[in-house]
Amino acid sequence: QQPVQSPQAVILREGEDAVINCSSSKALYSVHWYRQKHGEAPVFLMILLKGGEQKGHDKISASFNEKKQQSSLYLTASQLSYSGTYFCGTEFWMEYGNKLVFGAGTILRVKS
Amino acid sequence: ETGVTQSPTHLIKTRGQQVTLRCSSQSGHNTVSWYQQALGQGPQFIFQYYREEENGRGNFPPRFSGLQFPNYSSELNVNALELDDSALYLCASSRTGTGGGYTFGSGTRLTVV
Repeated sequence: QQPVQSPQAVILREGEDAVINCSSSKALYSVHWYRQKHGEAPVFLMILLKGGEQKGHDKISASFNEKKQQSSLYLTASQLSYSGTYFCGTEFWMEYGNKLVFGAGTILRVKS
Repeated sequence: ETGVTQSPTHLIKTRGQQVTLRCSSQSGHNTVSWYQQALGQGPQFIFQYYREEENGRGNFPPRFSGLQFPNYSSELNVNALELDDSALYLCASSRTGTGGGYTFGSGTRLTVV
């Protein structure tokens, strides 16, 4: 059930763009994206629901292709503050809520 | 709005002992999920609590158990600790049915020696 993220790690210079991919072998209800900095809690970035929508959050946006069971996170004109580990989480129905299963993460390092 | 608070922040236990970790959920949230995060890995789902009952469980043995209280706070109990239980334990709260994200606490770092 664990989604597969790629790449495992990426190093950028400030101002460069990056794409992080997340795919699942199971039908998805929604996809979450989180960023975790070293020694800190994961922080919610955005959620994408079924419908192939694209969302944006400052210069970070994401898309969700329900048919392909894939989501991509786009980081544009990266800043030093974007460094961290990015996790996608895929939601599956349970009786009273949804189980959120995380991928292994993508380490992003932005250099000046 | 208050965030998610976990206690303690760090804990060292001996193999075979029992441990209780605590979590206060964010105001307005009614669901609590617990995760185990080993170093360099993604959070692994342990279980979720809603209306004081367990609502789904990951691939963890029964010695991992929990509680949710009427104020939506929660506890994670681990019995018969093993060395492999050493990890960061994260609590996340959410509000069922809103399509919103999870708010994570800063975690409890458990070391089993």
